[in-house]
Amino acid sequence: DAKTTQPPSMDCAEGRAANLPCNHSTISGNEYVYWYRQIHSQGPQYIIHGLKNNETNEMASLIITEDRKSSTLILPHATLRDTAVYYCIVRGLHGSSNTGKLIFGQGTTLQVKP
Amino acid sequence: DAMVIQNPRYQVTQFGKPVTLSCSQTLNHNVMYWYQQKSSQAPKLLFHYYDKDFNNEADTPDNFQSRRPNTSFCFLDIRSPGLGDAAMYLCATSRGPGQGNEKLFFGSGTQLSVL
Repeated sequence: DAKTTQPPSMDCAEGRAANLPCNHSTISGNEYVYWYRQIHSQGPQYIIHGLKNNETNEMASLIITEDRKSSTLILPHATLRDTAVYYCIVRGLHGSSNTGKLIFGQGTTLQVKP
Repeated sequence: DAMVIQNPRYQVTQFGKPVTLSCSQTLNHNVMYWYQQKSSQAPKLLFHYYDKDFNNEADTPDNFQSRRPNTSFCFLDIRSPGLGDAAMYLCATSRGPGQGNEKLFFGSGTQLSVL
């Protein structure tokens, strides 16, 4: 699995955009970039994923650089409920069953402040 | 409505006493995963099932076993829990077969304490 590097923690003011960076310089051509978040004492929650193009959904935007070696998750208007650990994960196919496993790194703890 | 359900939410067991954690899903997904998450750490994959095909991670201790009697249910058995096995155990599902782009859906987890 390609590894990811994220800053251990970030702060963001409520109502402002939160931009969470992720480096994945060893990503291969068929590997997707996934973002999950985990609010304290809950299971991880899917946010967004992409392969090459930028993606947007109701939760966030994902910007992937042209060389695919890094990406940025953007929460456009952060709220206090967005305080969580955010995981950037690179995921491809594994094993004979071709199931795509999610291997978590350490993530970024985002603290949204009033 | 919860789609991946883990019971119980909190489980207390004694050192060395076998314990079983359960997971059920209403998504009819082919793949079910078990993760272990210790305090202040990232989730760590233990194993997964693709249908009835069991796939163990290389570093998962033999003390951890799993059963999947049907599509909807999957169990995590810890044969002789040690103090180091106290953790949150997370179950997840995905549709499969994988193209690398399908989402995983997680349950809320079972917090296991070992006394």
